[in-house]
Amino acid sequence: EIVMTQSPATLSVSPGERATLSCRASQSVSINLAWFQQKPGQAPRLLIYSASTRATGIPARFSGSGSGTEFTLTISSLQSEDFAVYYCQQYNNWPLYTFGQGTKLEIK
Amino acid sequence: EVQLLESGGFLVQPGGSLRLSCAASGLTFSSHAMSWVRQAPGKGLEWVSTISGSGGNTYYADSVKGRFTISRDNSKNTLNLEMNSLRAEDTAIFYCAKHVYGTASAFDYWGQGTLVTVSS
Repeated sequence: EIVMTQSPATLSVSPGERATLSCRASQSVSINLAWFQQKPGQAPRLLIYSASTRATGIPARFSGSGSGTEFTLTISSLQSEDFAVYYCQQYNNWPLYTFGQGTKLEIK
Repeated sequence: EVQLLESGGFLVQPGGSLRLSCAASGLTFSSHAMSWVRQAPGKGLEWVSTISGSGGNTYYADSVKGRFTISRDNSKNTLNLEMNSLRAEDTAIFYCAKHVYGTASAFDYWGQGTLVTVSS
């Protein structure tokens, strides 16, 4: 099983600032990596797939990068609606899809 | 617009059974693999099971193998999850999720979830 490790567990950032979230895979997943946003009481929403491709309707302030074992989600200028929990997920080793434990992005 | 609507979540005793369903609309259902993902209260996301677009291939997490059965009815645009021998640790919100295309692709749309509670 590929273990996905996200850091930090909690990130405190002020609105308008940049947020950088990290995700590390225990072995290479190529670019088969997705990022999801989840707000309280809601289902996860796909933000990024193939490590850097924004999903339909996702604002340009969200960007993804990386390949192999190291990945980053960057939110360039935080809006109030961006404070949520973010998960990475690998689908390279399908069907044993695995998620990171999540990063909570909170208002500073 | 793609919509996924889960149903069937309920309070059930340990050892009991439950059948979840997911009604899909706004897509060519048979063209997409589908998965179930669960989230225990206050916890992260855990993949449960996946079925190919044709229904001919199914996959399970070790934690549910032998107890859960995934199926689909492409004529009714419906995904199902039959759950037997339920345990307290199966308590979670269960989400159905659509793949971008086949099983080797991301989950791009999710339903709102249905809550399964296993307790005596």
